[in-house]
Amino acid sequence: DIQMTQSPSSLSASVGDRVTITCQASQDISNYLNWYQQKPGKAPKLLIYDASNLETGVPSRFSGSGSGTDFTFTISSLQPEDIATYYCQQYDNLPVTFGPGTKVDIK
Amino acid sequence: EVQLVESGGGLVQPGRSLRLSCAASGFTFDDYAMHWVRQAPGKGLEWVSGISWNSGSIGYADSVKGRFTISRDNAKNSLYLQMNSLRAEDTALYYCAKLAGPAVAGSIDYWGQGTLVTVSS
Repeated sequence: DIQMTQSPSSLSASVGDRVTITCQASQDISNYLNWYQQKPGKAPKLLIYDASNLETGVPSRFSGSGSGTDFTFTISSLQPEDIATYYCQQYDNLPVTFGPGTKVDIK
Repeated sequence: EVQLVESGGGLVQPGRSLRLSCAASGFTFDDYAMHWVRQAPGKGLEWVSGISWNSGSIGYADSVKGRFTISRDNAKNSLYLQMNSLRAEDTALYYCAKLAGPAVAGSIDYWGQGTLVTVSS
């Protein structure tokens, strides 16, 4: 199975800060990588698909990059409504696997 | 509007069975693959199982293989998860999820609100 790691596991930043989360796959997954946002008590929401494509309706301050084994998720200017846990997910092979998540809050 | 409504969760004793259902609406159900994803209390997301649009391709997490069975009824726009030999570690909120395409591997573009399964004596 493909293992996904994320760092950091949590972070605290100020409104307007640039926030970066990294995700690493245990083997080459090409660009078969998604990023999801989960707010407390809510279902996850797809933000980025295929490593770098912004899902329809998602604000442009969210972006993703990378391919192979190393991926990056960025919030260009952190907003209060971005408080959430962010998960990467690979779908190159079954079983689909998620990263452990990165919890983002406001300093 | 895409809607995914899960049902069938509840409190069950270890070793017993439970069947989850997901009623889908707002899209052409038989055009898309579907997944079950679970989340234990206070924990991260864990993929459980997936099924392609025509049930031709199915996959399971190692943690549930041999105990859980995914199925779908395209005529009823419904997804199911038969869970047997339940264990305490199966306690979680179970989400029904729609994929963005027909293949079993892909991006999840819609999620239900989840149904809670608690396995305890």
